[in-house]
Amino acid sequence: DTGVSQDPRHKITKRGQNVTFRCDPISEHNRLYWYRQTLGQGPEFLTYFQNEAQLEKSRLLSDRFSAERPKGSFSTLEIQRTEQGDSAMYLCASSPPGLASPNEQFFGPGTRLTVL
Amino acid sequence: DQQVKQNSPSLSVQEGRISILNCDYTNSMFDYFLWYKKYPAEGPTFLISISSIKDKNEDGRFTVFLNKSAKHLSLHIVPSQPGDSAVYFCAASPYNNNDMRFGAGTRLTVKP
Repeated sequence: DTGVSQDPRHKITKRGQNVTFRCDPISEHNRLYWYRQTLGQGPEFLTYFQNEAQLEKSRLLSDRFSAERPKGSFSTLEIQRTEQGDSAMYLCASSPPGLASPNEQFFGPGTRLTVL
Repeated sequence: DQQVKQNSPSLSVQEGRISILNCDYTNSMFDYFLWYKKYPAEGPTFLISISSIKDKNEDGRFTVFLNKSAKHLSLHIVPSQPGDSAVYFCAASPYNNNDMRFGAGTRLTVKP
């Protein structure tokens, strides 16, 4: 399968715990995005990488959220001290180089987080 | 702030008829508009896009219309097929900006 993959697909955690999600983009894609989607809403942009550089992170929801893409390939999204309000689907997407404007982004299946 | 709005949470049409999904936006800086389709347990899939310099873009059974003065776009599916049943998201962004804003989605059901 050459699409965007995310791991785990489901995560249940207790309030106050830290969680980390992984995203593997399509191999030749240099742009990687993280979104959050809550029930009944569309995806909400969180952050964006071009190669290993995090070019936009002002939309991260709080300082408990952080993302990395150390080698410009896979990325991780970490949520520290989780709260019940963090329960949502976390989506990762990637897109190929060469396009100056946002275009077709390829989404992974998402990680569903449940905070008890 | 809901800069992209899809006011119809659901739409049901008969197979073979036209499906029209609507989307309104408030940010005049938006220059690029996209439609995504989402099946259960999958991520959204890109469907069709349009830039603000155009008022129509067509791809097979799918056509997107843009009315910049009304800040409105629509997706037409003709003819509708049962396999089109999914949630459709409208999205928009300023040119050269990767902060894409999504609407809440419209669930389309195409009945055989």
